[in-house]
Amino acid sequence: AQSVTQLDSQVPVFEEAPVELRCNYSSSVSVYLFWYVQYPNQGLQLLLKYLSGSTLVKSINGFEAEFNKSQTSFHLRKPSVHISDTAEYFCAVRPSGGSQGNLIFGKGTKLSVKP
Amino acid sequence: GAGVSQSPSNKVTEKGKDVELRCDPISGHTALYWYRQSLGQGLEFLIYFQGNSAPDKSGLPSDRFSAERTGGSVSTLTIQRTQQEDSAVYLCASSTQTGGRGEQYFGPGTRLTVT
Repeated sequence: AQSVTQLDSQVPVFEEAPVELRCNYSSSVSVYLFWYVQYPNQGLQLLLKYLSGSTLVKSINGFEAEFNKSQTSFHLRKPSVHISDTAEYFCAVRPSGGSQGNLIFGKGTKLSVKP
Repeated sequence: GAGVSQSPSNKVTEKGKDVELRCDPISGHTALYWYRQSLGQGLEFLIYFQGNSAPDKSGLPSDRFSAERTGGSVSTLTIQRTQQEDSAVYLCASSTQTGGRGEQYFGPGTRLTVT
């Protein structure tokens, strides 16, 4: 079985400051890793994913996450946040083999960017 | 193109009544998933369908919950004898393939309130 821990339920930050949203996972098998974002009153959208290859993955809006196998982490970072980044961010995993298709989500981190 | 659609967007029902929630996946997507998003529990997997295979029902919380997928397309999630703890946002997602790499596209959700 897999589990995902997002230690911070809320992260307040000022505009243009850097931010890191932490994600740790537990799994006895290899996994793929994902970050989803949910903007206010909107559905879940895929932000970025790690499947294989380079452990550093980037999104089109400046977020990046690094897969660290030894620490079983997939922290999300952005060097300078904008007001529009205010949203809830969910880390998720899924086994890379087998037929299990569903995602296992963390409980989410609410990022609040203040002017 | 059209994304995943869900109906109704909001549903208020009395305790003990049955409800049906509908999901229209993206055309051509063979895999369909139901999740539940509730305060304190985060995002929980409920059930998923892949083509004509038997569905994975391992996430259904009780036998009051059931789902079907007709013709490999539209899916209906049915909750019988609703309870207040069933209040949540029910999310549907679809993907082109099960497991591993297939990105899941989420619908806007149905907000269920049981009074």
